[in-house]
Amino acid sequence: DVQMTQSPSSLSVSIGDRVTITCQASQDINRDLSWFQQKPGKAPKLLISGTSTLQTGVSSRFSGSGSGTIFTLAINSLQPEDLATYHCQHYYSLPYSFGQGTKLEIK
Amino acid sequence: QVQLQESGPGLVKPSGTLSVTCNVSGVSVSSTYWWSWVRQPPGGGLEWIGEVFHTGTIYSNPSLRTRLTLSIDGSQNQVSLRLASVTAADTAIYYCALDSGLTEWGPGILVTVSS
Repeated sequence: DVQMTQSPSSLSVSIGDRVTITCQASQDINRDLSWFQQKPGKAPKLLISGTSTLQTGVSSRFSGSGSGTIFTLAINSLQPEDLATYHCQHYYSLPYSFGQGTKLEIK
Repeated sequence: QVQLQESGPGLVKPSGTLSVTCNVSGVSVSSTYWWSWVRQPPGGGLEWIGEVFHTGTIYSNPSLRTRLTLSIDGSQNQVSLRLASVTAADTAIYYCALDSGLTEWGPGILVTVSS
C-alpha cells in the first residue's frame, strides 16, 4: 500500500504569506494526487487533482506541483478564507490514502 | 447540481452494525460514476473506506473489507454503507462522495460507537 506523509502537520501563518505544504508518497505515484481543503465543521472540498489541475472556481492563488514521490501545494498571498486544514490524497493504486493533514493557523 | 446527504443512526452499540445512507440528487446513482465513502475520526485525519459502481463492483480498504458492505439502490437513488462488528475505533464522521476523484461531498454524519 502507498503511504502518504504530509508536512508540516500545522503551520502558523500571516495574511499575505506564501505558504507551501509538502506531501511525500512511499513510492512513485506518477501524478495521481489530489489536494483537499477542509474548514472546521465542513466536509473536505476538492481543490486540485492530477497534481496541478485546479477545480472550477478555485482561486488561482492555489497551485500544485510535483511528480513521482514529492508533491507541493502552494498558496500565494494567503487570505483569511484560506485558513483551513489541507489534505493530500493519492489515487495511484488501491487502497487510496490520505496524508495526515496540515492545519493553517494565524500567527 | 449534484447534492449528497448522509443519514442514519448517530449512535451504535459496540459489536453492532453501523449503517449510513447517502441520498443523491442531481444525478442518477446508476450513471457512470463511482460512489465513494471516506471517514474521519473526531479531530483526526481522513480514511478512504471504499467505492461502489452501479454494476455492483466494489473496491474497499483492506483494513475494513471483512466487515464492510457497500450497495446502490437505483430506485431510491441512494448509496449505502454497512459496517459490522463495530468498536469505538469506528467512531467517526462518515462522508459519501461523488466518483473516485471525490469531486463532491456530502456534509457527513457523525456516528458514535458506544454502549
